[in-house]
Amino acid sequence: SQTIHQWPATLVQPVGSPLSLECTVEGTSNPNLYWYRQAAGRGLQLLFYSVGIGQISSEVPQNLSASRPQDRQFILSSKKLLLSDSGFYLCALGQGSSYNSPLHFGNGTRLTVT
Amino acid sequence: DAKTTQPPSMDCAEGRAANLPCNHSTISGNEYVYWYRQIHSQGPQYIIHGLKNNETNEMASLIITEDRKSSTLILPHATLRDTAVYYCIVRTSNTGNQFYFGTGTSLTVIP
Repeated sequence: SQTIHQWPATLVQPVGSPLSLECTVEGTSNPNLYWYRQAAGRGLQLLFYSVGIGQISSEVPQNLSASRPQDRQFILSSKKLLLSDSGFYLCALGQGSSYNSPLHFGNGTRLTVT
Repeated sequence: DAKTTQPPSMDCAEGRAANLPCNHSTISGNEYVYWYRQIHSQGPQYIIHGLKNNETNEMASLIITEDRKSSTLILPHATLRDTAVYYCIVRTSNTGNQFYFGTGTSLTVIP
């Protein structure tokens, strides 16, 4: 079965510090990978998605970047965190481009920028 | 832009069926309706999806109207653990085949 690993579960970082969140998946190959963010009390916002190694599509221009160095690894980064980067970051996995394919989410990382 | 409309909140008595509506009037013929739920501080959990036929699994049933412009998620016997935000999503070619989440319906199951 497919498994999504995200770490850390919680993170507190000062403004201006760098960020690296890692997502790795198991039990699948050639997955589509996604980063979503959920601000406190808000809905989920799609940040990035990737259909393969080195292929990144950005949904919202912002202070973040993503990379996919390996087939089952997706990394979210920032050089300098802003207060507005606080939120719940979720990695998700999908298969193929068919509409008949659900996304599955990891347990997320709760980031607080202070 | 989630392309769906859901009531912001609903209540349901424990043990009764919870019926969560969703309007998706711009859905196209090959686009699926998906339902997820999110319990506080957890990632969204996939529930069910369908194209035009009614679907049922161990968690819920999905009823899609014949014109496909709306659907209802049914939790047959709601428990307190079903209290969550429920999202109805249409994955469409107009959205680059991605999943866009709206604000969902906050379901509260009352003892």
